[in-house]
Parts: sequence; structure tokens; C-alpha cells
Amino acid sequence: QSVLTQPPSASGTPGQRVTISCSGSRSNVGGNTVSWYQQLPETAPKLLIYMNNQRPSGVPDRFSGSKSDTSASLAISGLQSEDEADYYCATWDDSLKGVVFGGGTKLTVL
Amino acid sequence: QVQLVQSGAEVKKPGASVRVSCKASGYTFTSYEINWVRQAPGQGLEWMGWMEPNTGNTAYTEDFRGRVTMTRSTSTGTAYLELTNLRSDDTAVYFCARGAGADYFYYHFDVWGKGSTVTVSS
Repeated sequence: QSVLTQPPSASGTPGQRVTISCSGSRSNVGGNTVSWYQQLPETAPKLLIYMNNQRPSGVPDRFSGSKSDTSASLAISGLQSEDEADYYCATWDDSLKGVVFGGGTKLTVL
Repeated sequence: QVQLVQSGAEVKKPGASVRVSCKASGYTFTSYEINWVRQAPGQGLEWMGWMEPNTGNTAYTEDFRGRVTMTRSTSTGTAYLELTNLRSDDTAVYFCARGAGADYFYYHFDVWGKGSTVTVSS
């Protein structure tokens, strides 16, 4: 069981907007910023969002992040077939004194 | 460009040890922590711990304490992960990742290696 809770799957059609949630507690999401990672099949994870809503250079603005209290969300608008991947949230946990990940969400583009 | 280049795949027997390397380039090696994250087949990401290249200080999660050692060579800009007393459930891809963020509040992984596959099988 992962410390952060994500839905195991999500789906959408091309052009749609989808959101992926990440639920935690005061010791992790509630007290620190959240990052999101995209993992395409058979590749290493890639940083998508950091500090809740910041995009690294090169990440399209179709990807956006938000956080409220002990939950965070990743939104993908204008869904494209190449967005089909696994998505993970992560943050620091003050109680565990380490980084914790969500279990991952497999996004399918129908 | 900034990159982390990892060593190749390993096959080990149960009870053996494995050492995986991660060579940094394109930035000052001693300025960022190197983290290790593993992913078992079909599973999610699991943080194992980190190493501060400047001091050699380390922090490991409870799950790996006693079996894991993270070290570095500052002369070559290479980080190492050693895992001992391997079990079949240690079969996984092991990623190194650069830690970014001024402190824990902002912490995230901005550069990842491609991963090293470790297979534990008798």
C-alpha cells in the first residue's frame, strides 16, 4: 500500500480533459509541495510538475497541477495519444522522513 | 546536457550482492543529492534513500536499512548503490535520480537515469 492514494486507472478520448487525484495526509501532501512524474512504457520517469504547479522547461502547458489541503491533482487538457502513460505523484513525508510516492495511475487514451 | 548514465543489467543469485552505478555529467556532482528509486515488475515507484555527494551522508528507508549502502566517487562523479543479501523480490529496475529543491518542502527529482535492471534468480 502506497502512502499516497491515486486511482489505478483513468481514461479519456483525444482532445478531452482528464484529472488524476493524489490523496495524502498532513505529514506529506498537507505539509509539503507535490511533484508529478510521467512514465511512458519501458522508460524512466520524467518530471512533469514540481512545487504543486510548476512546469519544467519543455513540458507543454496542457499539463497543470494543483493542491488543496491534503489532496493534489494533475490535469491534462487537449488529451493526445502520446499522453498514454503511467503518472505518479510524490512528496516529502515529515513523519517517515523520506519521499513517498502514489501507487501510480495508468492513463489510457481511447 | 545534464544526464545520469547507469550501469547495465545484472543477474544475481539469492543471497548475493549487487552494485549499480550512476555517472553524472553536465552539472556539479557535489551540488545535488542522488536518490535511488526502484520499480518491481508491474509495480509502482519506491524510494530507497539518498546520498549527499558533497559529504557522503546518507539516509535510507526502513525497508532497506541494513542491506543497502549508497556511496560515491567525487573524482569520477559517480554514485553507487549496493544491495546485499538479495532476494527474489529485489528483482526490479533501479533508477538513480537527482534531487532538487532548496529543502524537503520543495523536494522533487528533476533528472533521472534510464534505470538498471537487477534480476535475482536461482
